[in-house]
Amino acid sequence: DTEVTQTPKHLVMGMTNKKSLKCEQHMGHRAMYWYKQKAKKPPELMFVYSYEKLSINESVPSRFSPECPNSSLLNLHLHALQPEDSALYLCASSQGSQGRAGNTIYFGEGSWLTVV
Amino acid sequence: AQSVAQPEDQVNVAEGNPLTVKCTYSVSGNPYLFWYVQYPNRGLQFLLKYITGDNLVKGSYGFEAEFNKSQTSFHLKKPSALVSDSALYFCAVRDPSAGNNRKLIWGLGTSLAVNP
Repeated sequence: DTEVTQTPKHLVMGMTNKKSLKCEQHMGHRAMYWYKQKAKKPPELMFVYSYEKLSINESVPSRFSPECPNSSLLNLHLHALQPEDSALYLCASSQGSQGRAGNTIYFGEGSWLTVV
Repeated sequence: AQSVAQPEDQVNVAEGNPLTVKCTYSVSGNPYLFWYVQYPNRGLQFLLKYITGDNLVKGSYGFEAEFNKSQTSFHLKKPSALVSDSALYFCAVRDPSAGNNRKLIWGLGTSLAVNP
């Protein structure tokens, strides 16, 4: 079982709504990630936090806003999304900074987002 | 540029037969290689990785993979397939010499179907 916990598992939101996805890990990892995945496609990196600081933003639209309140928690705030943003959003974590190439990235079960 | 290729979109195998899911890579330095599995409607699960050392790596659920530097390959194998192995498999590579750009580069995935 994954030790990265994501809530909610499913979310349906309108294009004018504001919602948040939440992620928690209890492995003492210091790097946390948000990925977006479309059906049967590889995950696409969105954001990376290293030691609670944003280290990578893969040119993600500002309607997605990440937040790392502490080393165990990661949020993704959603506002004014488009239907094409509907996807599986995966949170992940790894030991040390994201720059440690040998570190394994561990994923949560994801949050299924539908924008209507 | 770093890249990963999974040459087969779909692999079909009979239960009890050996299975192979292929992966080839291209990096400028020595690669760090990973295999992940995604069961239907689930998140990504780490199976195994090659960093250095023995070319044959053993992982979860009876899977193993062999690193072949001359063929730039890292094929995933299992001696006897189970129906429950049916899933989407992703190969990924990191180039530790890539400086700050040490992102995981993903293959497009191979869908494995194990028939009873």
